[in-house]
Amino acid sequence: EIVMTQSPVTLSVSPGERITLSCRASQSVSNNVAWYQQKPGQAPRLLFFGASSRATGSPARFSASGSGTDFTLIITSLQSEDFGVYYCQQYSNRPFTFGGGTKVEFK
Amino acid sequence: QVQLMQSGPEVKEPGASVRVSCKTSGYSFIAYFLHWVRQSPGRGLEWMGLINPSDGRTSLADRFQGRVTVTRDMSTNSVHMDLSGLTSADTAVYYCARVGTTASYHYFDTWGQGSLVTVSS
Repeated sequence: EIVMTQSPVTLSVSPGERITLSCRASQSVSNNVAWYQQKPGQAPRLLFFGASSRATGSPARFSASGSGTDFTLIITSLQSEDFGVYYCQQYSNRPFTFGGGTKVEFK
Repeated sequence: QVQLMQSGPEVKEPGASVRVSCKTSGYSFIAYFLHWVRQSPGRGLEWMGLINPSDGRTSLADRFQGRVTVTRDMSTNSVHMDLSGLTSADTAVYYCARVGTTASYHYFDTWGQGSLVTVSS
């Protein structure tokens, strides 16, 4: 099973900041990584697939990159609606696995 | 628009079974794989399995083999997930999720609202 490790676990930030979220796979997953945002009481929402392809409705201040084992999600000029937990997921090999999440909270 | 509507919350005793249903609409049911993912505080997001609605074939995570059955109902464009031998560790929110492409790339662009299953005596 491929283990996806996200860091940091929590980010305490202010609106307008730029933040970088990391996701590392225990073995190469090529570019078969997706990113999701989840808010309390809601299902996850797809932000990116194919490591860097933007999903419909994903704001332009979000960007994603990476391949192999290291992946990054960047949010420039953080907005109040960006709070929540962000998850990466690999779909290169079954079982498909998710990272433990990075919680973005506001100071 | 694409929608996945799940069945309501369930409370079950240890050892019982539960069925969670997911009714789809707004797209061609047979064209997209559907998956089951559960979420609990202790285990995070956990992939359980998938079904190909076009032929009913399924693939399950090893840890759920023998306890989970996933089926589809072509008459209602629905999928069902049956989980048996419930323990407190199965207390979680269960999601159905649709893949984002008709190709075999298993990321999820649409999710159901989630169904809370609570296992308690």
